Amino acid sequence: ETGVTQSPTHLIKTRGQQVTLRCSSQSGHNTVSWYQQALGQGPQFIFQYYREEENGRGNFPPRFSGLQFPNYSSELNVNALELDDSALYLCASRTGNQETQYFGPGTRLLVL
Amino acid sequence: GESVGLHLPTLSVQEGDNSIINCAYSNSASDYFIWYKQESGKGPQFIIDIRSNMDKRQGQRVTVLLNKTVKHLSLQIAATQPGDSAVYFCAETLSGGSYIPTFGRGTSLIVHP
Repeated sequence: ETGVTQSPTHLIKTRGQQVTLRCSSQSGHNTVSWYQQALGQGPQFIFQYYREEENGRGNFPPRFSGLQFPNYSSELNVNALELDDSALYLCASRTGNQETQYFGPGTRLLVL
Repeated sequence: GESVGLHLPTLSVQEGDNSIINCAYSNSASDYFIWYKQESGKGPQFIIDIRSNMDKRQGQRVTVLLNKTVKHLSLQIAATQPGDSAVYFCAETLSGGSYIPTFGRGTSLIVHP
């Protein structure tokens, strides 16, 4: 186990709704990244937080937003859900000066 | 043998054989590369990494080879076991920056007992 936990494990929403996914990083890790993984594809980078500030963002629209808290846990919020948002959402944590990141088990989101 | 299906490329091997999984990366400036293993229902798990100043690195039963000339990575798994069945991803990144990896599409490895 990596020590990175995510909740919930599965979620079903309908189009137009909003969702919040949560991630608890490994102890001591101050950097958290979020990824979207569609079926049969590799993870796609959404954004990264370092010490509560966003310091990198992939090609995702503004309706994907995030937060990092003082304890370095993190949230991913998605507004106005679309069918194509159905995917596995992964978070990964690491320390700021190390390259190796550790992934959580993911949250499987289904948008109907 | 190796085949490219409608979705994920798949490599089928017999238990005990050696497996070779290939990956082409896109950015010639990338200088740090990682292989991940993803089992069904789990997040990607770090296997081995290599920097661009090396062309080979060995771990326990795994070896990564890097050919910067043709932007190619391979992962060799010795004496493949049923527990090695998973999807394998290579990822590239630039060190000295935000260490944000770009993942390849992945290869599904199926090990037959």
